Amino acid sequence: EAGVAQSPRYKIIEKRQSVAFWCNPISGHATLYWYQQILGQGPKLLIQFQNNGVVDDSQLPKDRFSAERLKGVDSTLKIQPAKLEDSAVYLCASSLVGVRETQYFGPGTRLLVL
Amino acid sequence: AQKITQTQPGMFVQEKEAVTLDCTYDTSDPSYGLFWYKQPSSGEMIFLIYQGSYDQQNATEGRYSLNFQKARKSANLVISASQLGDSAMYFCAMKGGGNKLTFGTGTQLKVEL
Repeated sequence: EAGVAQSPRYKIIEKRQSVAFWCNPISGHATLYWYQQILGQGPKLLIQFQNNGVVDDSQLPKDRFSAERLKGVDSTLKIQPAKLEDSAVYLCASSLVGVRETQYFGPGTRLLVL
Repeated sequence: AQKITQTQPGMFVQEKEAVTLDCTYDTSDPSYGLFWYKQPSSGEMIFLIYQGSYDQQNATEGRYSLNFQKARKSANLVISASQLGDSAMYFCAMKGGGNKLTFGTGTQLKVEL
C-alpha cells in the first residue's frame, strides 16, 4: 500500500514570495492533516480536513496561509506572502476516522525562507 | 485542552540495553489514545505504538512496549535491546475527541556502541 506522498521535498524562497505544497493521502483515508514543525519542536496542527470539509483550522494563520482539498483526496497548502518565521518542515498526514485510528505521515517538505 | 509533557530532551543508551522514554499527559476527555512516533534525521514521522485509554493491557509491538499508568497519567515508551538504528527523535502524542493529535516536544535518543 502506498504511503502519504508530498512534494516538493525541499523549497527555498525569499520572504514575501508565495509557495505551495501538495499532499496525496493514503487511499481511502477520509481525514487529512497539515502540520508545521519548527526546528526543535513537535509538530503543530495547522488544519484538518474530513473528506473535503474543514474540521479544525484554529491554528492556521489565515492572513497568509490557505489550504484546500477540493475533491476529498489531494490537498494543497499555500503560503502567501511568506515570512522568515515560516521556515519549517510541513508535514501532511492522513488517517481513517476515529480516536483509535493512527495518523500516517508523509516525508514532509522542508521550507527555508530567506 | 490536551497537553503532552516529555521532560527528557536527550537520552543516551548503550547498544543492546533497554531504555525508557517518559511521557505524561493531561486531558479532560474520558476516551483518548496515546501514540509514539519516531522521527529519524530524514524527517519522516514513523508510527511505533498505540495505547487506548480503555485498553486493559499495555501495548507491545516487537521491541517497543508502552508502560501505561492511567492514574498517574503517564505513557512511557520502553525500547528493549536498543540498536544503532534506534537513534532518532521520539515524540509522544495524544488524541482525544475530534481526531486532533497533540504532540510533546520530543526526546532525542542516541544509541552508543
